[in-house]
Amino acid sequence: QVQLVQSGAEVKKPGSSVKVSCKASGGTFSTYAISWVRQAPGQGLEWMGGIIPIFTTANYAQKFQGRVTITADKSTNTAYMELSSLRSEDTAVYYCASHGSSNWFDPWGQGTLVTVSS
Amino acid sequence: AIRMTQSPSSFSASTGDRVTITCRASQGISSYLAWYQQKPGKAPKLLIYAASTLQSGVPSRFSGSGSGTDFTLTISCLQSEDFATYYCQQYYSYPPLTFGGGTKVEIK
Repeated sequence: QVQLVQSGAEVKKPGSSVKVSCKASGGTFSTYAISWVRQAPGQGLEWMGGIIPIFTTANYAQKFQGRVTITADKSTNTAYMELSSLRSEDTAVYYCASHGSSNWFDPWGQGTLVTVSS
Repeated sequence: AIRMTQSPSSFSASTGDRVTITCRASQGISSYLAWYQQKPGKAPKLLIYAASTLQSGVPSRFSGSGSGTDFTLTISCLQSEDFATYYCQQYYSYPPLTFGGGTKVEIK
C-alpha cells in the first residue's frame, strides 16, 4: 500500500519560488502517477498537474503553465512540485496524491502549507 | 476543461438523516467520477470511484449513482463522523482533472 509523506510548511516572499517534496513508500513508484492538488484557505480542491515517474513528462493545468514544474526522482521515490513567481494568492495547502491509470486519487499526502507573505 | 458543479454548496442535517449530494458535469463523463470526504485540517479521503464503487473500508451507508452528466452521493443514515465536506472529481478527461466546488454537511 502506497504511503505519501510531504515536506514541511514553508513561508515565502512574493516573487520567490517554493519546492515541495512528496516521498512515496510501498508500491512501485515508477508506474503510478503523482499529482499535485492545492487548496486555498476556505476554498475547494484545484488540480495543478501530475507526472508518471517512468515517463518523466508532466502534465499541467493551463492556469499554472509556465509557473509550475513537477518532477520525480526514481532513485529516492520522491516527487517534487516547484511553483515560481509566488504571490499572496498562492497561499494554500498543497497536497500530493497518487493515482493509477484510472486517475482517481488514493492515497493523499498529509499536505504542506505554503504561506506567501511579505 | 470539464466543469463540475455540486449542489447544494452547504446544508444542515441531523444524525440519522438520509442525505443526497448532487454533482453535474458540463459534458458526458460516462461513469468516470469519484467522491471524496474531507474533514477540517485533513487530506481528502476517497469514498467512491467509477461513480458507484465503494472504496475498501468505506461504510456501506455511503453510495453513489449516476452516469453521463448527473451523479449523486447518498448517505443513508448520517453519523456524527460524516459531518464534513464532500467533493466530486471527474477523470474522464485528463488533463486536466477537475473537482466540484464541494458540499459542506453541517450539524443541524
